[in-house]
Amino acid sequence: SQQGEEDPQALSIQEGENATMNCSYKTSINNLQWYRQNSGRGLVHLILIRSNEREKHSGRLRVTLDTSKKSSSLLITASRAADTASYFCATGDSSYKLIFGSGTRLLVRP
Amino acid sequence: GAVVSQHPSWVICKSGTSVKIECRSLDFQATTMFWYRQFPKQSLMLMATSNEGSKATYEQGVEKDKFLINHASLTLSTLTVTSAHPEDSSFYICSGGRARNIQYFGAGTRLSVL
Repeated sequence: SQQGEEDPQALSIQEGENATMNCSYKTSINNLQWYRQNSGRGLVHLILIRSNEREKHSGRLRVTLDTSKKSSSLLITASRAADTASYFCATGDSSYKLIFGSGTRLLVRP
Repeated sequence: GAVVSQHPSWVICKSGTSVKIECRSLDFQATTMFWYRQFPKQSLMLMATSNEGSKATYEQGVEKDKFLINHASLTLSTLTVTSAHPEDSSFYICSGGRARNIQYFGAGTRLSVL
């Protein structure tokens, strides 16, 4: 079953702009991860943030986590056309098991 | 980086036949592998967790006799869709668990049942 919802469901921006995606979840977590999926392909891990962390950066990616609100956000700065993909948050417990959110389809227009 | 190979990438079969999908971790040992199903423009739904040398754990609502999972070694898990029907047509994705709770995904298998 899905853990939670992501919004927006779809996002269209111009190259160079920032893209922000939000994720909400329902239960306690050990970590929250963001994955990217190009159309018809598998998923690629982007970043992991643990439940005791509030913010994490990786290149042009910035992830925040608010466990009191059970929410996370993914910010992609200075977007590129190649960032066009679907982005999923996934919550993890102490095992490897992940429960995925509904996903955000990002379109970056050249 | 960790690589998971999934084969075949696309399969078309007749209704009533069985289809086997392989998932291999190429450069790491995956004690745990996962099988997901994904419908168009939707999220991944976890079907089962596969542990090497033991029976798979299926999620609620997933028929274990329909979707047979075998995890015979630390680098290979297989999913067999038995007596496939058109409603089984979907995108199936596997992943292997490695350190730090991260999963590494195969490229997926698109199954079309005629």
